[in-house]
Amino acid sequence: ILNVEQSPQSLHVQEGDSTNFTCSFPSSNFYALHWYRWETAKSPEALFVMTLNGDEKKKGRISATLNTKEGYSYLYIKGSQPEDSATYLCAFSNTGNQFYFGTGTSLTVIP
Amino acid sequence: GAGVSQSPSNKVTEKGKDVELRCDPISGHTALYWYRQSLGQGLEFLIYFQGNSAPDKSGLPSDRFSAERTGGSVSTLTIQRTQQEDSAVYLCASSLNRPQGKQFFGPGTRLTVL
Repeated sequence: ILNVEQSPQSLHVQEGDSTNFTCSFPSSNFYALHWYRWETAKSPEALFVMTLNGDEKKKGRISATLNTKEGYSYLYIKGSQPEDSATYLCAFSNTGNQFYFGTGTSLTVIP
Repeated sequence: GAGVSQSPSNKVTEKGKDVELRCDPISGHTALYWYRQSLGQGLEFLIYFQGNSAPDKSGLPSDRFSAERTGGSVSTLTIQRTQQEDSAVYLCASSLNRPQGKQFFGPGTRLTVL
């Protein structure tokens, strides 16, 4: 089993604040890095899939970067809103077709 | 179009009974995954199907767990002789391909073993 670590485990921010979290993964045999948002009582929803070192993806106020050489990805949320409250999961896949989710970062945006 | 569907949405069973959980993936998606989330835990990979290839069963926690995918579409996860530690939300996801494809998740089946 490969370790995919996310930090922090949870955080609370005020509405309007910008925030970011980290996903760390093994740098060897990298294939793809996924980010998902998982809202309470719903199913995980894909945000981004990144495959190339230096990739940057953006969707509205949310963006992500990828560093495959050092094995990390950052997810940024600009101007957090209460509807951004969710658990954010990253998932790593390698060239051996193995797929691992991190335990997630739980974000609460306080109005 | 229709998303991934799972049934039942909730299942309560007695310890020692067998259960079957069903997943209908998005039409045309060749990859299908089963995960579970136990209370307070992250998503745990169970099994993966890709087209007609042999499934990747590396995540199944014991030989009481098995899964099949008929005709490259519907999948059934079977848990035999259920134990209380099997209580969890079981999620199914499908994607166009692996490992790059975004996974689309179903609503899950909440299994409670008494």
